[in-house]
Amino acid sequence: DVKVTQSSRYLVKRTGEKVFLECVQDMDHENMFWYRQDPGLGLRLIYFSYDVKMKEKGDIPEGYSVSREKKERFSLILESASTNQTSMYLCASSGGGTGYQPQHFGDGTRLSIL
Amino acid sequence: KQEVTQIPAALSVPEGENLVLNCSFTDSAIYNLQWFRQDPGKGLTSLLLIQSSQREQTSGRLNASLDKSSGRSTLYIAASQPGDSATYLCAVGRGGTSYGKLTFGQGTILTVHP
Repeated sequence: DVKVTQSSRYLVKRTGEKVFLECVQDMDHENMFWYRQDPGLGLRLIYFSYDVKMKEKGDIPEGYSVSREKKERFSLILESASTNQTSMYLCASSGGGTGYQPQHFGDGTRLSIL
Repeated sequence: KQEVTQIPAALSVPEGENLVLNCSFTDSAIYNLQWFRQDPGKGLTSLLLIQSSQREQTSGRLNASLDKSSGRSTLYIAASQPGDSATYLCAVGRGGTSYGKLTFGQGTILTVHP
């Protein structure tokens, strides 16, 4: 079974802090994704990566950056956290480069910015 | 811009009933369509993936159909059980070299009561 592990289930940070959310997958997947999920807005894609050191912006990249130094690890960075970034963050991975494979999700990190 | 709508937003049924969840999308140029289940406070679990060339997929008591020309998919759940209670999300895979990026609907909250 594919396992996608997010480092924290719950996280509380302060406004202005630099925040790192970590995601690791164990299936040698090429593609990795970061989403945020908000009531009434659903899941929205922040960034994705299709290979090591390769990344592309999703639909809502403002205020975020990402890092993929190793194939199995994809990090989401909040450069200067703000209260409107309080949300549930979900990481996913999928195999292949053309979108044929299903995405597998981690359990999510519920992030609160105070 | 692709928009995905799920109807109904919430559904409550007695145990044993067969039910249908609906998903519609505005742009028929899709790569694939994926149905997910999400339990409260958890990540997403992939249920079924239908490629754009397919009409349906089945897994156990679940059957998903796809009609690209009309922009619709349905998820049929047979003989529902209380353990089926969850939020069901459909997501449309974008075409082209999109590396499997998905656009999500808002979800249908399903409650199956004993």
